[in-house]
Amino acid sequence: EAQVTQNPRYLITVTGKKLTVTCSQNMNHEYMSWYRQDPGLGLRQIYYSMNVEVTDKGDVPEGYKVSRKEKRNFPLILESPSPNQTSLYFCASSILTSGSYNEQFFGPGTRLTVL
Amino acid sequence: DAKTTQPNSMESNEEEPVHLPCNHSTISGTDYIHWYRQLPSQGPEYVIHGLTSNVNNRMASLAIAEDRKSSTLILHRATLRDAAVYYCILRAPYNTDKLIFGTGTRLQVFP
Repeated sequence: EAQVTQNPRYLITVTGKKLTVTCSQNMNHEYMSWYRQDPGLGLRQIYYSMNVEVTDKGDVPEGYKVSRKEKRNFPLILESPSPNQTSLYFCASSILTSGSYNEQFFGPGTRLTVL
Repeated sequence: DAKTTQPNSMESNEEEPVHLPCNHSTISGTDYIHWYRQLPSQGPEYVIHGLTSNVNNRMASLAIAEDRKSSTLILHRATLRDAAVYYCILRAPYNTDKLIFGTGTRLQVFP
């Protein structure tokens, strides 16, 4: 089954304790992206990647890092989490062609709470 | 990025058609209109997209105004499973594939 998986689904941590949220897709997609969703603000893009070893900042990259060493994986790293990073996080992937009609596939979400 | 405006919420009864409106008066000539929906406790999922002509797929229909300043997502027979937040999104061609989500329309479906 074609899917985007995220782990963990739920995480409660404390300020400053480094964490990684994994994202993996089995559709051989070039494009992957991380979004965060907050009440009243909708989904906002954090980082994206056009292919292996190619990453770039989205709209809200501060406090986050990403890497793309393999095509299928795109982990989100919080080196020193803070309470304002408490949010619902979604990973997404799509093929990358010269058009704007590419359907993006989203993971189930990771709910992160930073105390 | 051009902006979209949607009603905060709408209601429907099961088995009835639902018309979800979206205004995008600042749309450019090359922007595509995309719709995604987010079911409770799930990630967003693609519904449909179009440029100028009306579009149909197994999930819904998309009606686009002739001047492209508005569009309507049509669910022909609402089911309880269609209760979700529906997002209307404009996407420029050859962009970075970023989706800019607004606050969307929360659709409630009653039995």
